Amino acid sequence: AQSVSQHNHHVILSEAASLELGCNYSYGGTVNLFWYVQYPGQHLQLLLKYFSGDPLVKGIKGFEAEFIKSKFSFNLRKPSVQWSDTAEYFCAVNSGGGFKTIFGAGTRLFVKA
Amino acid sequence: DAGVTQSPTHLIKTRGQQVTLRCSPKSGHDTVSWYQQALGQGPQFIFQYYEEEERQRGNFPDRFSGHQFPNYSSELNVNALLLGDSALYLCASSLRGGSGNTIYFGEGSWLTVV
Repeated sequence: AQSVSQHNHHVILSEAASLELGCNYSYGGTVNLFWYVQYPGQHLQLLLKYFSGDPLVKGIKGFEAEFIKSKFSFNLRKPSVQWSDTAEYFCAVNSGGGFKTIFGAGTRLFVKA
Repeated sequence: DAGVTQSPTHLIKTRGQQVTLRCSPKSGHDTVSWYQQALGQGPQFIFQYYEEEERQRGNFPDRFSGHQFPNYSSELNVNALLLGDSALYLCASSLRGGSGNTIYFGEGSWLTVV
């Protein structure tokens, strides 16, 4: 069965620090990968997605993620975080041809001003 | 352009009761998926509806059922409520539900079972 693991449940950073959130998935076939963000009091929003092509994908608000097929990983990065990046981040995977999207447990990021 | 809308936003039910949650998909979308998000967890896939039929189902008991209407809106029904059913129920819509299509979420319905 497919699964998604997010390595850190809680991350605390100071503004301007660099961010990397780990995500690993288990599925041997073709996958589509997503990062969603949930800001306090708001609904889940798409941050970025990978379907095919360049394994380094860029999303909104300066976020990027790199798909490493050999490591089954899709880590999220941002060079310099802001206080407004405080949110919960979810990694998700959808297998090629499948209908359901599987989510990780989420990582809560708190950025200190 | 309306996003995904869900109702009600909050509700409290008693064990053993039944609940119906409603969802209108984003304009232009024809596929609706339902997720359950318990506190501290990621969304868990319940099922997906397309062309008024359940297309795929996650690991949820038959107490969870759904329906999709010709206008693509959807309902989630949960019978014989248990305390463990307390969660945020999310509706997500997409176009044709293909794996390559992005899903868009509503704000959810908070269900508390007492």
